[in-house]
Amino acid sequence: IAGITQAPTSQILAAGRRMTLRCTQDMRHNAMYWYRQDLGLGLRLIHYSNTAGTTGKGEVPDGYSVSRANTDDFPLTLASAVPSQTSVYFCASSGEGSYNEQFFGPGTRLTVL
Amino acid sequence: GQNIDQPTEMTATEGAIVQINCTYQTSGFNGLFWYQQHAGEAPTFLSYNVLDGLEEKGRFSSFLSRSKGYSYLLLKELQMKDSASYLCAVMDSNYQLIWGAGTKLIIKP
Repeated sequence: IAGITQAPTSQILAAGRRMTLRCTQDMRHNAMYWYRQDLGLGLRLIHYSNTAGTTGKGEVPDGYSVSRANTDDFPLTLASAVPSQTSVYFCASSGEGSYNEQFFGPGTRLTVL
Repeated sequence: GQNIDQPTEMTATEGAIVQINCTYQTSGFNGLFWYQQHAGEAPTFLSYNVLDGLEEKGRFSSFLSRSKGYSYLLLKELQMKDSASYLCAVMDSNYQLIWGAGTKLIIKP
């Protein structure tokens, strides 16, 4: 692994189904983030984790949950998907300090029908 | 509320110079970032400004004025590969990034 990986690359999901988006990084970064990106809108933060064992809510957390059992993995779960959750989801990580840029995974394109 | 404004789309000619502006109103300020995002790809880091002034990095430069809540990204000697969206993001008092919607830059031959 080099950097951040996300799985799946894309997914079509029926409304009401449960779905977990996976994110793994090998840079030993403490901070990790989940964003969604929709046309015409900026990246919006869903949840974040400053270190393993802790998580926090971002701007648009409703309908999503996360866990951070270890440094490397930060899965995002949609408990019961709805069409408004159709989006491109990016996972990112960063090192310590405000000057550290965020590194992004390749994204997951999710369509909820 | 927190707000980041940047033009939706700009067009420029190969070999020319283009300036992409970003204005912001945020609760606190811990730095401003510029990212490049090609269509269908992830954002990648371009620059970081926390003090007023110009930061130059090759063909790309970024300027910040904290008193005016204003930044710009300057791209020189434009190449076709520079066709992408350019995202402005401000780190607020909670050390979270607030993102603009991005400026789609179209380069014409």
